[in-house]
Amino acid sequence: DTGVSQNPRHKITKRGQNVTFRCDPISEHNRLYWYRQTLGQGPEFLTYFQNEAQLEKSRLLSDRFSAERPKGSFSTLEIQRTEQGDSAMYLCASSEEGWDNEQFFGPGTRLTVL
Amino acid sequence: AQKVTQAQTEISVVEKEDVTLDCVYETRDTTYYLFWYKQPPSGELVFLIRRNSFDEQNEISGRYSWNFQKSTSSFNFTITASQVVDSAVYFCALSEAQGNNRLAFGKGNQVVVIP
Repeated sequence: DTGVSQNPRHKITKRGQNVTFRCDPISEHNRLYWYRQTLGQGPEFLTYFQNEAQLEKSRLLSDRFSAERPKGSFSTLEIQRTEQGDSAMYLCASSEEGWDNEQFFGPGTRLTVL
Repeated sequence: AQKVTQAQTEISVVEKEDVTLDCVYETRDTTYYLFWYKQPPSGELVFLIRRNSFDEQNEISGRYSWNFQKSTSSFNFTITASQVVDSAVYFCALSEAQGNNRLAFGKGNQVVVIP
C-alpha cells in the first residue's frame, strides 16, 4: 500500500473561482479526515467520514466548503467562490475504525488564492 | 473542548544534544490519546508516538522518549542525541474518545539541529 495520496499537490487560483481536491486513503481504512493548516499553525479539523457517511463538520467549514466520499473510498473537498483567506495546506488523513487508531496523513494540497 | 498548548516556538540545538518539547493539554474527557507528529520541510505529517490516558508509564523508543503526567496534564517529548535529520516541526495532538478521533493539534515546535 502506498499510503494516503492527495491531488493536486499545489493549486493556484484566482479569488472567486471554485477548486476541488481529491484524497485517496489507505485502502483498508474506513475513516477519512480533512484538516486545514495555515502558516505557522497546527492542522485544524474540518470534517470526518466513516465510510460514505459524513459524521462531523467543524464550524470552520463554511457553506462554501463541501466534502464528499460517495463510495466510501476516495474523498473530494470543494471550495466554492474562493477567498484569499482560504489559502492554506489542506491535509487528508485516514485511519482504521476505532477512536484510538493513529491517523496517517497525506502530503497535502497547498492552495494559494490570488 | 480539546486544547493543546506548545509554548516554545523555535528551538535550536547543536547536533548530538538532547531536545525536550513541552506539551500541555486540556480535556474534559477521561479517556483520550496523546500523540506526537513530525512535519519535515516536505510537509507530510509523520506519526511518531502515542499514549492513552490510562497508561502513564513513560517509555523510550529508539532516540525518542516521552514523559506523560496526568497530574499536570503534560505530555513532553525528548529527542536524544539529536541529528540534522531531526530538524522539523513537531506537533503534539490530542484525541478524545468522545470526539470521533478528531485530532486537536498544538501550534508546533520548530526544531533546528545545527551540525
